[in-house]
Amino acid sequence: GEQVEQLPSSLIVQEGASVLINCSYTDSASVYFPWYKQEPGKRLQFIIDIRSNMERKQNQRLTLLFDKKTKHLSLHITATQPGDSAIYFCSASRGSALGRLHFGAGTQLIVIP
Amino acid sequence: DMKVTQMPRYLIKRMGENVLLECGQDMSHETMYWYRQDPGLGLQLIYISYDVDSNSEGDIPKGYRVSRKKREHFSLILDSAKTNQTSVYFCASSLYGQGAGNTLYFGEGSRLIVV
Repeated sequence: GEQVEQLPSSLIVQEGASVLINCSYTDSASVYFPWYKQEPGKRLQFIIDIRSNMERKQNQRLTLLFDKKTKHLSLHITATQPGDSAIYFCSASRGSALGRLHFGAGTQLIVIP
Repeated sequence: DMKVTQMPRYLIKRMGENVLLECGQDMSHETMYWYRQDPGLGLQLIYISYDVDSNSEGDIPKGYRVSRKKREHFSLILDSAKTNQTSVYFCASSLYGQGAGNTLYFGEGSRLIVV
């Protein structure tokens, strides 16, 4: 089955820095890749997604890059703020209505003011 | 206000006791899910429900069962809880299935400790 791996598992940066979270998957049939964010003690929330027919997607300070050949994604966060402190989850699915999302183990980001 | 609500939020049970975790959503979503979250493992899918009485095993269904008698309500049942079921359980819902680009809406989680 699909395996989703994220690196690094944790990250501590100074406010204002940029960060890169890497994600790789194994199932070449996966076509949809949403990312979720979990702030401390809160529910997971959707932040950005990309489909396999795209290479790049941007949403304000978030940029998601996708490489189908290497089965690799990168989430780039610029100008980090303390409010960005959270666990970020990469996920992958085959795209059908009955398809299932497979989550990575998460990357914990801590932004120091 | 689109919301997924879980009850209870915190629960301590003795090994062998039954556990009922309840989840409700007010968005008329067809599909609902139960996940567990453990440190270093991310989210693992326990069960999916595609609609009332249409449930399917996820990746780790052993030791769990579910019930969905109303579209807005999805229960997770642990018959005779085990200590390795200590975890944080998340319920989620989506308009349709997970793979169709539908966003998942999560509850706040239910922390279960089995002693």
